[in-house]
Amino acid sequence: QVHLVESGGGVVQPGRSLRLSCAASGFTFSSHALHWVRQAPGRGLEWVAVIWYDASNKYYTDSVKGRFAISRDNSKNTLYLQMHSLRVEDTAVYYCARGEVVGIIEHWGQGTLVTVSS
Amino acid sequence: DIQLTQSPSSLSASVGDRVTITCRASQTIDIYLHWYQQRPGKAPKVLIYAASNLQSGVPSRFSGSGSGTDFTLTISSLQPEDFATYYCQQSYSSLWTFGQGTKVDIK
Repeated sequence: QVHLVESGGGVVQPGRSLRLSCAASGFTFSSHALHWVRQAPGRGLEWVAVIWYDASNKYYTDSVKGRFAISRDNSKNTLYLQMHSLRVEDTAVYYCARGEVVGIIEHWGQGTLVTVSS
Repeated sequence: DIQLTQSPSSLSASVGDRVTITCRASQTIDIYLHWYQQRPGKAPKVLIYAASNLQSGVPSRFSGSGSGTDFTLTISSLQPEDFATYYCQQSYSSLWTFGQGTKVDIK
């Protein structure tokens, strides 16, 4: 059974950094692209970033480009999101998610809340 | 980035109603358009993939259509468990995007 567990969320001041982690189990981690998707309180879903199965390609939504970095450690079955220069508008629940070949997300973590506030 | 615009943003309907939600892309995305349902406090669930393919386990009252820039999600007969928020998502570009969502609530 696919299991994705995020950690690392919390309250942080604007301009500071935070690193999220996602521990995966129940599938061949190194065979799947992985995504971060976020959802601000009471708002819709926003795709944040993707990293290919072998980390050969990484893509970001424009609002986080240059501030966030997605990475993975296939030996530890762990996905990361390093977030720098955090802004109030980055406040959201961040979901780790497994991408499928057909272009959907079928498996999601439970999410970790990041609150950017002074 | 490819923008997806859903309409309406919200709607009120009764059990048994036929409901249609549309999603328009800012450029052609072939059939790389998918639909999700999200209930409060829960992760999204795939309903339709590649515009018109019903995800395994999803009731047949859900259907999708469209290609290019215009897509539709239809619920043929709304059930109590269908009151939720629905999102479209494109995977045509390496930079995925979601629509802003359509909230379906009880009339």
